Amino acid sequence: DTGVSQDPRHKITKRGQNVTFRCDPISEHNRLYWYRQTLGQGPEFLTYFQNEAQLEKSRLLSDRFSAERPKGSFSTLEIQRTEQGDSAMYLCASSDRENVQFFGPGTRLTVL
Amino acid sequence: QQQVKQSPQSLIVQKGGISIINCAYENTAFDYFPWYQQFPGKGPALLIAIRPDVSEKKEGRFTISFNKSAKQFSLHIMDSQPGDSATYFCAATLYSGAGSYQLTFGKGTKLSVIP
Repeated sequence: DTGVSQDPRHKITKRGQNVTFRCDPISEHNRLYWYRQTLGQGPEFLTYFQNEAQLEKSRLLSDRFSAERPKGSFSTLEIQRTEQGDSAMYLCASSDRENVQFFGPGTRLTVL
Repeated sequence: QQQVKQSPQSLIVQKGGISIINCAYENTAFDYFPWYQQFPGKGPALLIAIRPDVSEKKEGRFTISFNKSAKQFSLHIMDSQPGDSATYFCAATLYSGAGSYQLTFGKGTKLSVIP
């Protein structure tokens, strides 16, 4: 399967713990996006990478969130000191063209 | 401020019928309008998309109708099948100037196609 992959698919953590998610984009896609989707809502933009550079961050991305994309390949999203409000599906999408984005299966985070 | 409004929230259609989902947008700078299909536990999958200089686009049983003056667009699913049962999201992209074409999504429509 050459689509976008995400790991883990599910994560349960206790409030205050740190978590890290990984996204592997489609090979050769230089654009990578992170979105967050809460129950009953559409995904909301979090951040954008072009190659290894993080070019844009949403206001939703508080200082507890950090994302990286070393060497312009896979990306990680870390949440420090998790809160119950962080419970959501975290989606990664990649693109090799201006507008067309392909999503991964997501990581569902539950903060107890 | 919700920039893309989607309706209805849920829709029940009989097999073989036509499913119609509507969206309205506010920002005239949006320049690309995709529809995504999402099954439970899966990520959104691109279904069909249209640019604002086109009034209609058809791919198989799926058609987008676009009304630029009204700032509205809709998805029509012809001959709806039980396998089409999923949540559908309309979206719009905007070039941010910083390099991203971030998607703004509607809240979704849960479609159930009954035999």
